[in-house]
Amino acid sequence: DVKVTQSSRYLVKRTGEKVFLECVQDMDHENMFWYRQDPGLGLRLIYFSYDVKMKEKGDIPEGYSVSREKKERFSLILESASTNQTSMYLCASSVVQSRTDTQYFGPGTRLTVL
Amino acid sequence: QKEVEQDPGPLSVPEGAIVSLNCTYSNSAFQYFMWYRQYSRKGPELLMYTYSSGNKEDGRFTAQVDKSSKYISLFIRDSQPSDSATYLCAMSHYNQGGKLIFGQGTELSVKP
Repeated sequence: DVKVTQSSRYLVKRTGEKVFLECVQDMDHENMFWYRQDPGLGLRLIYFSYDVKMKEKGDIPEGYSVSREKKERFSLILESASTNQTSMYLCASSVVQSRTDTQYFGPGTRLTVL
Repeated sequence: QKEVEQDPGPLSVPEGAIVSLNCTYSNSAFQYFMWYRQYSRKGPELLMYTYSSGNKEDGRFTAQVDKSSKYISLFIRDSQPSDSATYLCAMSHYNQGGKLIFGQGTELSVKP
């Protein structure tokens, strides 16, 4: 079974703090993704990565950065957290050249910025 | 206009009802169509996928794709309270490099 884990289920931070969200997958997948999920807006892609040290902007990268130093780990960084970044953050991974591009998700981190 | 549109609901049905969940899309290049199920406070999990047009059945679930109308559906027969979740459609085409385009999700509640 594919396993994608995220470092925290719930996180509370203050405005202006630097926030790190960690994601680890154990299936040697090349692709990794970070989404945020908000009511009425669905899943929105923040950043994704095809390989170690590679990253591509998604649809809403502003205010975020990412790091992929190892194949199994993909980190999302909020440089200076703001209240409008309060959301559910989901990490996913998939295999390159998978016929279906099926993504496997972690359990999510619910971040609250006060 | 969003590439993928999905009625967000919420949808409430009695136990045993047939449920129909739908998505429309605008990009005719989409070839792979998926349905994810997301229970409260959990990440989405893949429920079914289909390639191109046609039907696919898995137990009480049937996924249907009509590429000519750019319309996909998920049918749930004999719905159970355990089916209560948010259902997200997702789609992709071969040249998107693994990216999926998701609908907004439909929240389903099946009442005993």
